[in-house]
Amino acid sequence: GQNIDQPTEMTATEGAIVQINCTYQTSGFNGLFWYQQHAGEAPTFLSYNVLDGLEEKGRFSSFLSRSKGYSYLLLKELQMKDSASYLCAVKDSNYQLIWGAGTKLIIKP
Amino acid sequence: IAGITQAPTSQILAAGRRMTLRCTQDMRHNAMYWYRQDLGLGLRLIHYSNTAGTTGKGEVPDGYSVSRANTDDFPLTLASAVPSQTSVYFCASSDGTSHNEQFFGPGTRLTVL
Repeated sequence: GQNIDQPTEMTATEGAIVQINCTYQTSGFNGLFWYQQHAGEAPTFLSYNVLDGLEEKGRFSSFLSRSKGYSYLLLKELQMKDSASYLCAVKDSNYQLIWGAGTKLIIKP
Repeated sequence: IAGITQAPTSQILAAGRRMTLRCTQDMRHNAMYWYRQDLGLGLRLIHYSNTAGTTGKGEVPDGYSVSRANTDDFPLTLASAVPSQTSVYFCASSDGTSHNEQFFGPGTRLTVL
């Protein structure tokens, strides 16, 4: 079966750095996405990785290792507004997205 | 409008009733999707449409039907609602490129009693 694993919840301090991990086992791989979802709102796109390595976009970076079935999202200089759920999703061999359950990130002052 | 809209925002429905959730996008995206999101679970694909006139079944299609008469609209129908269909429903669209980023509507919170 297909499986995406992420921690259920993480806590970090304002101004710090946090890394959210995602491991996956899917039938095929055609890219990995990270989305942010604030409570009661729709998911919004953060990043896309299809090749191994690090993609940096401002305070957010995403890393992919296809051989290990592993990705992480790195958030720097955390702000209170970063409190949200972070969803990892993999595009499978049918080009459909398989979603993890999400990691709820709590930022404390 | 700009982006994707969904209606209604929320609905309480008696079991056994028929309900249609509406979704409209103005981005001229070819592909559209319906997901349900339940606490502790990832988004689960119900149905999708790669282009107008075609539809496909996702991971959890039972009890739901869709149609895609044109590019902009992708309604989801529950023929006879059951309590297990209580969920938040998201419609999404993408332009079908290799990047395939999906844009989401604001969601419909549905409660079936």
